[in-house]
Amino acid sequence: GDSVTQMEGPVTLSEEAFLTINCTYTATGYPSLFWYVQYPGEGLQLLLKATKADDKGSNKGFEATYRKETTSFHLEKGSVQVSDSAVYFCALSGLSGGGADGLTFGKGTHLIIQP
Amino acid sequence: NAGVTQTPKFRILKIGQSMTLQCTQDMNHNYMYWYRQDPGMGLKLIYYSVGAGITDKGEVPNGYNVSRSTTEDFPLRLELAAPSQTSVYFCASSPSGGYTFGSGTRLTVV
Repeated sequence: GDSVTQMEGPVTLSEEAFLTINCTYTATGYPSLFWYVQYPGEGLQLLLKATKADDKGSNKGFEATYRKETTSFHLEKGSVQVSDSAVYFCALSGLSGGGADGLTFGKGTHLIIQP
Repeated sequence: NAGVTQTPKFRILKIGQSMTLQCTQDMNHNYMYWYRQDPGMGLKLIYYSVGAGITDKGEVPNGYNVSRSTTEDFPLRLELAAPSQTSVYFCASSPSGGYTFGSGTRLTVV
């Protein structure tokens, strides 16, 4: 079945550092790929998404490119802020992104940004 | 526009008790989902629904039941609570792809 593997955390960085959180996936067909962010005590919020190969999703300075040849969707940000501290989840939606049967999530990466 | 509303936010149950976690959405989304989140384990799909009157099992359905009598509501029922059901539960809805999550219910079974 479908699966998502993302780097283990916690990841601790200093403010203004460059961020990469790795995500790779296994899926049949052509899934859509997502990054969600969860702040303490809150639900998940969609950060960005990509629906086909070579698409780049971007939002709030974060970006990720759908790489079908390497089955990857790594999250990057050029200069992180303390407010970026949260748990980040990589996820995929099967059935060509129609999503009727739900998302498959990675285990999450806890990001800590120190001032 | 409230989005996805879950109640209660917190609950402590004794082993063997039952309860219903409520979920309501006001976006007229056809698809609704229940996930559980365990520490370090990501989210696992419990049940989902593609429309009123239609439900199906996800990855971890044992010990749970759902119903979908209206487009808006998708309650999750625990009949005989067990310690293994201690978790944070999230409801989500989607028109088709693009999910909106509720803020979660933290359940402890003692």
